[in-house]
Amino acid sequence: GIQVEQSPPDLILQEGANSTLRCNFSDSVNNLQWFHQNPWGQLINLFYIPSGTKQNGRLSATTVATERYSLLYISSSQTTDSGVYFCAVEGMDSSYKLIFGSGTRLLVRP
Amino acid sequence: EPEVTQTPSHQVTQMGQEVILRCVPISNHLYFYWYRQILGQKVEFLVSFYNNEISEKSEIFDDQFSVERPDGSNFTLKIRSTKLEDSAMYFCASSQTAYNSPLHFGNGTRLTVT
Repeated sequence: GIQVEQSPPDLILQEGANSTLRCNFSDSVNNLQWFHQNPWGQLINLFYIPSGTKQNGRLSATTVATERYSLLYISSSQTTDSGVYFCAVEGMDSSYKLIFGSGTRLLVRP
Repeated sequence: EPEVTQTPSHQVTQMGQEVILRCVPISNHLYFYWYRQILGQKVEFLVSFYNNEISEKSEIFDDQFSVERPDGSNFTLKIRSTKLEDSAMYFCASSQTAYNSPLHFGNGTRLTVT
């Protein structure tokens, strides 16, 4: 099955810093989504981005499907950005399930 | 903004008992899912459901598990004869379509099997 690797596994930032999280996947996908799991365990959908670039406030994401990676950018980080960021993909052979990466655990210090 | 709701938020059960986890997907969504997350690990797909039948299921989703949409709003996951290793956070999710639409998760039910 498709493999999803995220890096770095852990990241500590000072409030106000910028960061880039990476997601590599092993095969072609027809769906890629980024999620934020906050410290309370809630999974929040950040982006549906199988290709191209999207921006939402301080967050933006870029997926280069032909090279099998996606990047999530966080600018001017805030303490509320802390949590785990997951990339999840859906392979071309499946239309109903997302495969999650292991996540990047982000801690933003005040 | 409409959201997926799950009940209960926390369920404690004894090994061997049956549990039913409940979910109300977003009203205009047609595709429903269950995922689980063992503490500290990645989120794992269990099952997807469309048009009143299972569309796809993972190896985890064996005969111990079943799903049902008993009415027009609820979507349930039943776990029979629970085991210690079933302890996890169970997330319900829904999407408007299978393609080109984001997945929306509920807040989860934390299941503890003692």
